[in-house]
Amino acid sequence: AIRMTQSPSSISASTGDRVTITCRASQDVSSYLAWYQQKPGEAPKLLIYAASTLQSEVPSRFSGSGSGTDFTLTISCLQSEDFATYYCQQSYSYPQTFGPGTKVDIK
Amino acid sequence: EVLLLESGGDLVQSGGSLRLSCVASGFTFSSYAMTWVRQGPGKGLEWVAGVRDSGLSAYYADSVKGRFTISRDNSKNTLYLQMNSLTAEDTALYYCAKVSSSSGNTGGMDVWGQGTTVIVSS
Repeated sequence: AIRMTQSPSSISASTGDRVTITCRASQDVSSYLAWYQQKPGEAPKLLIYAASTLQSEVPSRFSGSGSGTDFTLTISCLQSEDFATYYCQQSYSYPQTFGPGTKVDIK
Repeated sequence: EVLLLESGGDLVQSGGSLRLSCVASGFTFSSYAMTWVRQGPGKGLEWVAGVRDSGLSAYYADSVKGRFTISRDNSKNTLYLQMNSLTAEDTALYYCAKVSSSSGNTGGMDVWGQGTTVIVSS
């Protein structure tokens, strides 16, 4: 199975900050990479798919980039509602796998 | 409104079996791949199993292969997960999710249910 890693595992940030989360795959996943946001007590929410395509109704402050093995999720101007845990997921091959998550909390 | 409603979660003894169901509404169920994703207490997301739109192809995480079976009934808009030989490590909140493609490997999981809880006691 393809192993996904994320860094950092957690980040403390303030409203208005620019936040970047990195996801790395243990082998080439092309652009078959999605990002999800999960808040406590809620189901995950799809933010980005195909590495850089913004899901409908997701604010444009979220962006994704990368291909192959290295990917990034950027939140350009952190808002209060963005404090959450973020997961990357590869769908290039089965079994599909998630990264361990990056928790974004308030500094 | 697009909805997924899971059911079937319960407290079960180690070695036991359980069948989860997920009823879909608000979209053409038979046109999309579906998945089960679980989240253990305080843990991250784990992809468990996926099935193509037709139901003819199914895929599993190594941790559940040979014990779990994913299936679907497109006439009932329902996804299933049959879980056998359960262990404490299977204790989790199980989510049903729609994939935004028929094949299951493109587009991401764009609709999620609220989950159903499975607790395996040893």
